[in-house]
Amino acid sequence: SQQGEEDPQALSIQEGENATMNCSYKTSINNLQWYRQNSGRGLVHLILIRSNEREKHSGRLRVTLDTSKKSSSLLITASRAADTASYFCATAALNFGNEKLTFGTGTRLTIIP
Amino acid sequence: KAGVTQTPRYLIKTRGQQVTLSCSPISGHRSVSWYQQTPGQGLQFLFEYFSETQRNKGNFPGRFSGRQFSNSRSEMNVSTLELGDSALYLCASSLAQGGVNTEAFFGQGTRLTVV
Repeated sequence: SQQGEEDPQALSIQEGENATMNCSYKTSINNLQWYRQNSGRGLVHLILIRSNEREKHSGRLRVTLDTSKKSSSLLITASRAADTASYFCATAALNFGNEKLTFGTGTRLTIIP
Repeated sequence: KAGVTQTPRYLIKTRGQQVTLSCSPISGHRSVSWYQQTPGQGLQFLFEYFSETQRNKGNFPGRFSGRQFSNSRSEMNVSTLELGDSALYLCASSLAQGGVNTEAFFGQGTRLTVV
């Protein structure tokens, strides 16, 4: 079963605009990670934010985490055509013996040149 | 440093057959996790191996099995294939167990089509 639900399911924006996608999850987590997947290929890790962090930056990426609302957002600034991909959040559970990443449903991002 | 290698990249099998997929993790990584990705169900966790032991298992039938060798390479096997097993199978390697405290590195996947 999916731990995370992402919103929106699909997003199309003009090149140069900012893209924001959201992830909600259900159980307590150790950390939350974001991955990108280009069409039918493997996933690429973007950023990891721990449960005691509220915001993290990496280049044009900004991730926020609100553990009280069990939600996270990924902001991509100044989007480029190469950012066209699916984006997934993945949560890492707290419980020992159940170490695994549980992925959300993904947001399909299309950047229009 | 070589990435995660999955072989084969594409596979077509007939219902009832069995299939074995291979994953070579990044050198030094002891954790290998397997995921099934389909349009309808998204990314579903299959199982995870760490130092040759299965540490975690997802909610899949017993037809799905795996193993890990002493060099950390992993294989997964699906027996008695069904049409619904058609999917992209991804493996991920990481330093930490399950990839939960560090990033997981994914292979390009094996696209399995069952006809």
